[in-house]
Amino acid sequence: QKEVEQNSGPLSVPEGAIASLNCTYSDRGSQSFFWYRQYSGKSPELIMFIYSNGDKEDGRFTAQLNKASQYVSLLIRDSQPSDSATYLCAVTILTGGGNKLTFGTGTQLKVEL
Amino acid sequence: DAGVIQSPRHEVTEMGQEVTLRCKPISGHDYLFWYRQTMMRGLELLIYFNNNVPIDDSGMPEDRFSAKMPNASFSTLKIQPSEPRDSAVYFCASSRETRNTIYFGEGSWLTVV
Repeated sequence: QKEVEQNSGPLSVPEGAIASLNCTYSDRGSQSFFWYRQYSGKSPELIMFIYSNGDKEDGRFTAQLNKASQYVSLLIRDSQPSDSATYLCAVTILTGGGNKLTFGTGTQLKVEL
Repeated sequence: DAGVIQSPRHEVTEMGQEVTLRCKPISGHDYLFWYRQTMMRGLELLIYFNNNVPIDDSGMPEDRFSAKMPNASFSTLKIQPSEPRDSAVYFCASSRETRNTIYFGEGSWLTVV
């Protein structure tokens, strides 16, 4: 089982719709959860982080965390063509050397006009 | 503030040659990470340092790879000898703590022919 799993997509949504991106993780001890966005040919950039169960909202973005189900999601409201990118879920996993940030393989999002 | 600075941005080299990738982390960040990204395997953590000391190098693929951090503002990732399967984007990233947001450099695009 992969430590962090995401559906590779592509996920296609029409402009203005809600995009829902999902991620599951294997380590119950994980405490920090991040969503990064990566445009083609660019480096990952942070969108949001969440530490506690529940929802966290920032503008058009909402991160949702359910530690019991080991599930974290990202909702993008009013999707825009500029949101088209790969979205990487990242989770801190405790190892012998400390917390290690482990990434999923990403979900490609396409927002269509 | 300047972000994470990596060099070279692009490198094409022949199989068997030595490759050295360089990174300058964000000033004040105590953690430095080297990641490799490929289409097949996504973003993989190779090694990370805390206060210039390597903490976890379990992701380093084999002995051909080595990384050093001689001081707080400089790190290198070396591949010797390089092989075509090493072709990937190598990202350096830094953060204040492992639980916090990590910031990526623009990446070094390596092609081994």
